[in-house]
Amino acid sequence: KNQVEQSPQSLIILEGKNCTLQCNYTVSPFSNLRWYKQDTGRGPVSLTIMTFSENTKSNGRYTATLDADTKQSSLHITASQLSDSASYICVVSARSNTGKLIFGQGTTLQVKP
Amino acid sequence: GAGVSQSPSNKVTEKGKDVELRCDPISGHTALYWYRQSLGQGLEFLIYFQGNSAPDKSGLPSDRFSAERTGGSVSTLTIQRTQQEDSAVYLCASSRGTASTYEQYFGPGTRLTVT
Repeated sequence: KNQVEQSPQSLIILEGKNCTLQCNYTVSPFSNLRWYKQDTGRGPVSLTIMTFSENTKSNGRYTATLDADTKQSSLHITASQLSDSASYICVVSARSNTGKLIFGQGTTLQVKP
Repeated sequence: GAGVSQSPSNKVTEKGKDVELRCDPISGHTALYWYRQSLGQGLEFLIYFQGNSAPDKSGLPSDRFSAERTGGSVSTLTIQRTQQEDSAVYLCASSRGTASTYEQYFGPGTRLTVT
């Protein structure tokens, strides 16, 4: 069964600190992995997308890594800001012509001053 | 350009009533997806459209749920005889196509509360 699991479920950090969110997946055949940021009351917004051959991708203070062998990904946030408070969702796409996405349950990050 | 829009943003309805949720995709996007996000749960796929056709309706939870898309643009998700377990945020996303590499752009969602 195709599944995406994230940890931790929630996280509280102080402003300026770094943090790392984890994602494990069992999706086959694998096409790509995305990290989305979802602010409260808003739709998810894409941060990064990585295919099988990519093992790291950055978007400003966000850096995602992918290990396709162990089927693990991480999202590292550097020098956190209050605006980083949101839910971060790991999403995996199987190779198909439907575009269907498999979502993790998300990690809720709270950045405190 | 304009993003994906959804209406209404919030809907409170009584159990047993029918509701219609609307999604306006990004212009030119041929693929449109509906998802449901229940409290404390991850996003759950409901249905997708390629043009006006819905090749995969496997995520619709019951026959009370239906969706249509007209003119390759606007889509409506209808829930008949709403139940309390239908309370959730309903998200719509659109994409240039259905290939797995295409980016999906999400709307802000409709929060449905069934009392």
